[in-house]
Amino acid sequence: EADIYQTPRYLVIGTGKKITLECSQTMGHDKMYWYQQDPGMELHLIHYSYGVNSTEKGDLSSESTVSRIRTEHFPLTLESARPSHTSQYLCASSEYGQNTGELFFGEGSRLTVL
Amino acid sequence: EDKVVQSPLSLVVHEGDTVTLNCSYEVTNFRSLLWYKQEKKAPTFLFMLTSSGIEKKSGRLSSILDKKELSSILNITATQTGDSAIYLCAVVNFGNEKLTFGTGTRLTIIP
Repeated sequence: EADIYQTPRYLVIGTGKKITLECSQTMGHDKMYWYQQDPGMELHLIHYSYGVNSTEKGDLSSESTVSRIRTEHFPLTLESARPSHTSQYLCASSEYGQNTGELFFGEGSRLTVL
Repeated sequence: EDKVVQSPLSLVVHEGDTVTLNCSYEVTNFRSLLWYKQEKKAPTFLFMLTSSGIEKKSGRLSSILDKKELSSILNITATQTGDSAIYLCAVVNFGNEKLTFGTGTRLTIIP
């Protein structure tokens, strides 16, 4: 069983608030990813990291930012949330990168911005 | 831009039936095709396919890749209610190592 955790699982906030979605993994994986998934839609990569102090933007443009100060921790921050940010955010990690297929996903953070 | 199309979008069958889920793709530099199962929470890995014609099998699930047709199928035999989930297909681009996911097929098994 994968050891990757996301908090909060559900979050409902008002427009303009700053939020941070936490993601932690205990597997020592170098590679970590954030995906955004709207209901009935595909997963879109919004951020990824190949190690400490490494962060890159993914395919889908996002106003969120990420940081990777420690191997196990990859938080995602929205400075000023808007209703268009309402979505599910999935964090994932892998040891060898996406191309091996062995992406381990967290349980997701469902964000609703009113 | 890489693209993955899955069909059907939704499927409802009775327990015990056999189902076939389809995935077609366009990718500039194909490396592999992946199948994931997503229930209420996070996707879990099922199969990785890299070579045409070689079937991967795990219990009642099996999958095969056809590189000529740029497609893959996922078969589930003797379906059970626990198979109800969204099944996601993704392709990996060899050049940039990015995964591109399809929208998924929502499978519902009726007891």
